[in-house]
Amino acid sequence: AQKITQTQPGMFVQEKEAVTLDCTYDTSDQSYGLFWYKQPSSGEMIFLIYQGSYDEQNATEGRYSLNFQKARKSANLVISASQLGDSAMYFCAMRELGGSTLGRLYFGRGTQLTVWP
Amino acid sequence: NAGVTQTPKFRVLKTGQSMTLLCAQDMNHEYMYWYRQDPGMGLRLIHYSVGEGTTAKGEVPDGYNVSRLKKQNFLLGLESAAPSQTSVYFCASINDLRLAGVLETQYFGPGTRLLVL
Repeated sequence: AQKITQTQPGMFVQEKEAVTLDCTYDTSDQSYGLFWYKQPSSGEMIFLIYQGSYDEQNATEGRYSLNFQKARKSANLVISASQLGDSAMYFCAMRELGGSTLGRLYFGRGTQLTVWP
Repeated sequence: NAGVTQTPKFRVLKTGQSMTLLCAQDMNHEYMYWYRQDPGMGLRLIHYSVGEGTTAKGEVPDGYNVSRLKKQNFLLGLESAAPSQTSVYFCASINDLRLAGVLETQYFGPGTRLLVL
């Protein structure tokens, strides 16, 4: 079974609007972390934001916020006031503290976000 | 600090040729990983290492070998390249999770684009 599911292969948003990128996860661990990465066309992986399974408040980092709904096992990324430079591939990822592959991240297949003027 | 560097940035191989990808980090990280990224697949773990002299298989290890003779370096080898190994390869590293915790940021290298003809 997929550990991380991103159901939106592509999303479009107009500049200055907010957009939500969906992510659901599957784990039986009690302690885990959820991460979002941005990959622009240049190819590098840029860390955006993370959320711990025990955190009760949603994480925020500038224009990025993580809408964490533990019971639904979802960790959606919200980008407010989109900018043209936000156009990129976005990956959701998870790390399980109890996992056998220490520290590895499980990645979703990504969502290609396009911001138009 | 250079962070995580990868050599080479781009390479074209013929089927059956061999090559080694080098990953180097200057952050004294214990854990290092090799992922591959294919279109529509996200990043998948090839091999990983939790310390100097140790390596282990990830989810897609076939056709690859690795070595970690020095803490700062993690080498990925292709003994006999196949077209199916055409991909973008990312190296990543983190601190020891037992010290840093589940939300430790994973640092990625810039990636190596490999084309096998």
